[in-house]
Amino acid sequence: AQSVTQLDSQVPVFEEAPVELRCNYSSSVSVYLFWYVQYPNQGLQLLLKYLSGSTLVKGINGFEAEFNKSQTSFHLRKPSVHISDTAEYFCAVSDMFPNAGGTSYGKLTFGQGTILTVHP
Amino acid sequence: SAVISQKPSRDICQRGTSLTIQCQVDSQVTMMFWYRQQPGQSLTLIATANQGSEATYESGFVIDKFPISRPNLTFSTLTVSNMSPEDSSIYLCSVEWRGTGTSYEQYFGPGTRLTVT
Repeated sequence: AQSVTQLDSQVPVFEEAPVELRCNYSSSVSVYLFWYVQYPNQGLQLLLKYLSGSTLVKGINGFEAEFNKSQTSFHLRKPSVHISDTAEYFCAVSDMFPNAGGTSYGKLTFGQGTILTVHP
Repeated sequence: SAVISQKPSRDICQRGTSLTIQCQVDSQVTMMFWYRQQPGQSLTLIATANQGSEATYESGFVIDKFPISRPNLTFSTLTVSNMSPEDSSIYLCSVEWRGTGTSYEQYFGPGTRLTVT
């Protein structure tokens, strides 16, 4: 069974400061890792994903994450945050299986979420 | 990308009643998922709904409580039956959509915020 732990439930930072949101996972098989963002009263939006290859993954809005297999971590970082980055961030893992059209993700297992609050 | 809409966006219901949530996608998709997000909690998968087959439910969720329909490749419904205050949650629909290259990505709807009194 897979599980995801987001180590911080809330992270307050000042505008233009760097931020790191931590995520650790456990799985008995290879996993595929994702970060989603949820703005207030909205659905989830995919920030970035790690499938294979380079362990440093760049996503939208200036975010990046690094996959560390030995530490089973997938921390999300941004060098300089903006007020508009205030949101809840979810780390997730998934199986992957092939289908006729290409590789497909199975169900997502989410972490508990980290609320990022950027102060002016 | 896939654009997903859900109806209703929010509702307040009395215990013992049922609510059907609709999920509409602007393109044909094979796999659809229903998630629940309880207050202050993360998302939990309720079931996977593939067109033309019975929905597959996760541990802790049963068809009698959460019946799902998937009549075609662009639409699904989730019913929350015999509601209790513990069912107060945000219910989200998601779909798998062909992303870049050969990979698929999951897109989420805006959610339905349900309050049971």
